[in-house]
Amino acid sequence: QLAESGGDLVHPGGSLRLSCSGSDFTFSDYAMHWVRQTPGKGLQCVSAINDKGDITHYADSVKGRFTISRHNSKNTLYLQMSSLRTEDTGVYYCTTTRYWGQGTLVTVSS
Amino acid sequence: DVVMTQSPLSLPVTLGQPASISCRSSQSLVHSDGNTYLSWFHQRPGQSPRRLIHKVSNRDSGVPDRFSGSGSGTHFTLKISRVEAEDVGVYYCMQGTHWPLITFGQGTRLEIK
Repeated sequence: QLAESGGDLVHPGGSLRLSCSGSDFTFSDYAMHWVRQTPGKGLQCVSAINDKGDITHYADSVKGRFTISRHNSKNTLYLQMSSLRTEDTGVYYCTTTRYWGQGTLVTVSS
Repeated sequence: DVVMTQSPLSLPVTLGQPASISCRSSQSLVHSDGNTYLSWFHQRPGQSPRRLIHKVSNRDSGVPDRFSGSGSGTHFTLKISRVEAEDVGVYYCMQGTHWPLITFGQGTRLEIK
């Protein structure tokens, strides 16, 4: 019901755009989140957006570098990532918290 | 941010025996709307997390009734009445009361003895 794309290997300082497509549920009814899982570690919500898209939130570690947005008519969530750091490496899940995607791997390495 | 603290972090259990995981929050999880937005998730190796329980004690569709959630305020518990082989993996609690600042516990790894 959620499918992420856009993960890749990128050099430090580089940029990446993640996308997440929703189906089989009313996408516009749900707040959406990007949750990062780093190797061997737990889950951290790096960004969140409300159902209408007019309230956004960022973890301190990504504030000013990441931008979350959504296009409800396309049932799609985005995460624009810039000035990437090695510590941004991880699997990024898009989730309503009820529904989860399969995750997309972002690797930041020189 | 609301800090979620789980214990134990590792839980070896014999098949057929019960298991219990504790989750404590640094602030009350009672929302102004009267609900308590505390959820439990299970993640198997190589898979995405799956929500088991929401609003403290409500099982999600398809979740076996051997899983139960309880608690209030700042202290919550996930119980498995009889552990089965498919229950191995990592369990996380998560608070959604203080949205957009949702936070997860560190995770509890359940393994079969």
